[in-house]
Amino acid sequence: GAVVSQHPSRVICKSGTSVKIECRSLDFQATTMFWYRQFPKKSLMLMATSNEGSKATYEQGVEKDKFLINHASLTLSTLTVTSAHPEDSSFYICSAITLAGASYNEQFFGPGTRLTVL
Amino acid sequence: KNQVEQSPQSLIILEGKNCTLQCNYTVSPFSNLRWYKQDTGRGPVSLTIMTFSENTKSNGRYTATLDADTKQSSLHITASQLSDSASYICVVSGINYKLSFGAGTTVTVRA
Repeated sequence: GAVVSQHPSRVICKSGTSVKIECRSLDFQATTMFWYRQFPKKSLMLMATSNEGSKATYEQGVEKDKFLINHASLTLSTLTVTSAHPEDSSFYICSAITLAGASYNEQFFGPGTRLTVL
Repeated sequence: KNQVEQSPQSLIILEGKNCTLQCNYTVSPFSNLRWYKQDTGRGPVSLTIMTFSENTKSNGRYTATLDADTKQSSLHITASQLSDSASYICVVSGINYKLSFGAGTTVTVRA
């Protein structure tokens, strides 16, 4: 089946630094990837939609300059949290849509990245 | 506003017992409804996907039902196992790949 990986799985950083999270579709090409944020015991919140070769579309309330998204290829999207602060600490999950074979436009989710900002 | 509401918020069951989780939605237009299992600290894993024309779908001990008229879905877990302890999320897909997520039901299976 379609596999999506994320790296790193956990990251701890100091306040003010930037952190890059990678999302890869391992065995399929994904024209569209999504970035979500999840707080403890809460549901996933869509942050942005990332299309290969074009600018990401951000949801209302998500700062574009804070959360930089790059989708340089059909198998890789990156999320960079710039000048991270403790309130950015969260669980970040990406998902990807496969190009072919899925009649339901199924999204395959990555395992998530736990970000802790000290 | 598209909404997905799940109940109960959490439940505890004994190993080997059955349980049913509920999902009501107001998403329109409707494309499909999915149930995901999310283990703590992990990403969601798809259990079932149903379009409006499908009333039921099974995946092992998981059986999902859908009533598109009343906009209700359920997920039934049969003969629960300890590994079933997780959060179960109902997700409704509308247009343009946008997903509406329920808050999830946390299931705890005890020996």
